[in-house]
Amino acid sequence: QQKVQQSPESLTVSEGAMASLNCTFSDGTSNNFRWYRQHSAKGLEVLVSIFSDGEKEEGRFTAHLNRANLHVSLHIREPQPSDSAVYLCAVSTITGNTGKLIFGLGTTLQVQP
Amino acid sequence: NAGVIQTPRHKVTGKGQEATLWCEPISGHSAVFWYRQTIVQGLEFLTYFRNQAPIDDSGMPKERFSAQMPNQSHSTLKIQSTQPQDSAVYLCASSSQGALYFGAGTRLSVL
Repeated sequence: QQKVQQSPESLTVSEGAMASLNCTFSDGTSNNFRWYRQHSAKGLEVLVSIFSDGEKEEGRFTAHLNRANLHVSLHIREPQPSDSAVYLCAVSTITGNTGKLIFGLGTTLQVQP
Repeated sequence: NAGVIQTPRHKVTGKGQEATLWCEPISGHSAVFWYRQTIVQGLEFLTYFRNQAPIDDSGMPKERFSAQMPNQSHSTLKIQSTQPQDSAVYLCASSSQGALYFGAGTRLSVL
């Protein structure tokens, strides 16, 4: 049974400073990693998807994957107060073209002006 | 593209009543997923369909919960004899190439 854990539970950064979020997973066969953002009382927004070791950048969001260490991270460059939200790590093993995503409990990010 | 549409947005039921939640996936997406979100448990996988066929319902409580996908354009999650612990936000998502696109959710409150 896949276990996904995120750290820290909460993070406060100043506007413009780099924010770094961590996620570890238990299933080494996982091949599909996504970071989502959820603003209060709103739906989930996918930020970046990564499928192989290394780095994937989408605008100000960069994911780093190291499958050997069972670790994926998200770095947010120049965060703004509007980036304050819950960030969710999701992991799955794709078979065919679908696979169920297992989510971590999230990191609550607060960006202070 | 209106995205994944879930109705109703909020539902309040009395203990023991039935609740039916509706989901309209994005047109052309072959897979539909149901998740439940609570503060304590986070996002929990319930079940998913691919091309309308049930694929994995390992997250569904064995009693009282059922899901169907009678056609490509909608799926339903039914909870019989609702209990206060069923109170949560129920999220539907449809999938294209492994990425899940979520609806806004249905907030179920069982009094």
